[in-house]
Amino acid sequence: AQKITQTQPGMFVQEKEAVTLDCTYDTSDQSYGLFWYKQPSSGEMIFLIYQGSYDEQNATEGRYSLNFQKARKSANLVISASQLGDSAMYFCAMRGYQGGSEKLVFGKGTKLTVNP
Amino acid sequence: DAGVIQSPRHEVTEMGQEVTLRCKPISGHDYLFWYRQTMMRGLELLIYFNNNVPIDDSGMPEDRFSAKMPNASFSTLKIQPSEPRDSAVYFCASSFNSGLNTGELFFGEGSRLTVL
Repeated sequence: AQKITQTQPGMFVQEKEAVTLDCTYDTSDQSYGLFWYKQPSSGEMIFLIYQGSYDEQNATEGRYSLNFQKARKSANLVISASQLGDSAMYFCAMRGYQGGSEKLVFGKGTKLTVNP
Repeated sequence: DAGVIQSPRHEVTEMGQEVTLRCKPISGHDYLFWYRQTMMRGLELLIYFNNNVPIDDSGMPEDRFSAKMPNASFSTLKIQPSEPRDSAVYFCASSFNSGLNTGELFFGEGSRLTVL
């Protein structure tokens, strides 16, 4: 079964500093995708970044980068130069295909607070 | 382009009443997912459709829950009869299949259900 673990219920960071949000995953699939979503207090789910299991380079999207370590099954999100608007819940997710069915499972999330 | 559209945004009902949540996916997307989000359980996949066909409904809690997708542009999630423990935010999401494990999910704004 696929599983996503986010061990940090909450994180604090000073504005303009970088922060790393941890994500480890468990799967027996050879091919899978890893995603990060942001959920601000308003409730919507915002896609941030994607990493394919066969991608050799770490994904980057603006201030977001995904530190993908396949052997360790980790897919940490790095946010550079934090902004107050980055305060939100962040969810790591994995999409795979098992038993004839697609699965996209989410971690429990990390609440990030950016302090001025 | 319009995103995923869900209605109603908020629903307050009494135990035992029927609840119907609606979703219009992004045009051209062939996958539609229904998720439920609670503080205790996080984001749970309830059911997903591919080309209007239900593929995996193993996440549907019990027979009180049913989902349909009569055409590519509309889906419903029905709870009958509703119970207080069904109170949650229900998200609809859609994606296209650009490969087995790519294609991020685009989420609607969610329907917040409160069952008294």
